[in-house]
Amino acid sequence: DIQMTQSPSTLSASVGDRVTVTCRASQSISSWLAWYQQKPGKAPNLLIYKASSLESGVPSRFSGSGSGTEFTLTISSLQPDDFATYYCQQYNTYPHTFGQGTKLEIK
Amino acid sequence: EVHLLESGGGVVQPGGSLRLSCSASGFTFSTYAMTWVRQAPGKGLEWVSDISGGGGDTHYADSVKGRFTISRDNSKNTLYLQMNSLRDEDTAVYYCAKGPYTSTGAYTGDYWGQGTLVTVSS
Repeated sequence: DIQMTQSPSTLSASVGDRVTVTCRASQSISSWLAWYQQKPGKAPNLLIYKASSLESGVPSRFSGSGSGTEFTLTISSLQPDDFATYYCQQYNTYPHTFGQGTKLEIK
Repeated sequence: EVHLLESGGGVVQPGGSLRLSCSASGFTFSTYAMTWVRQAPGKGLEWVSDISGGGGDTHYADSVKGRFTISRDNSKNTLYLQMNSLRDEDTAVYYCAKGPYTSTGAYTGDYWGQGTLVTVSS
């Protein structure tokens, strides 16, 4: 199975900060990567697919980049609603594995 | 508006069985692949299984292969997950999610249900 490793596991930041979350795949997945946001007690919400395509309705402060084995999710200016856990998912090969998650906390 | 509603969760003893359902509305159900994802308490997301829009193509995580069966009834707009030989480690919230295409192989979901809790315990 392809292993997805996110860093950091926890990130403390302030409103207005620019933050970046990294996701590394154990082998090349081309651009077949998605990012999700999950808030406590809620279902995940799709943010980005195909590494850099913004899902409809998602604010433009979210962006994704990368290909091959290294990917990033960037939030350009943190808003209070953005404090949540973020997951990457590869869909290049079955099973479609998720990263372990990055919890974004208020500093 | 797309709406997915899971049901069928509950408490079951190890070795027991349970069938989860996901009732869909707001889109042409048969046109989209569907996926089950689970999340153990306090843990991350785990992809479980997916099925194509027509139901002819399915995939499973190794952890559930041979024990779980995904299926769908397009006439009832409902997705199912039959879970047999349940283990303690199957305890989780189970989410169904709608895929972006008819075929499998894409990202898990542009729409997700709110989940149903399965607890395997004696």
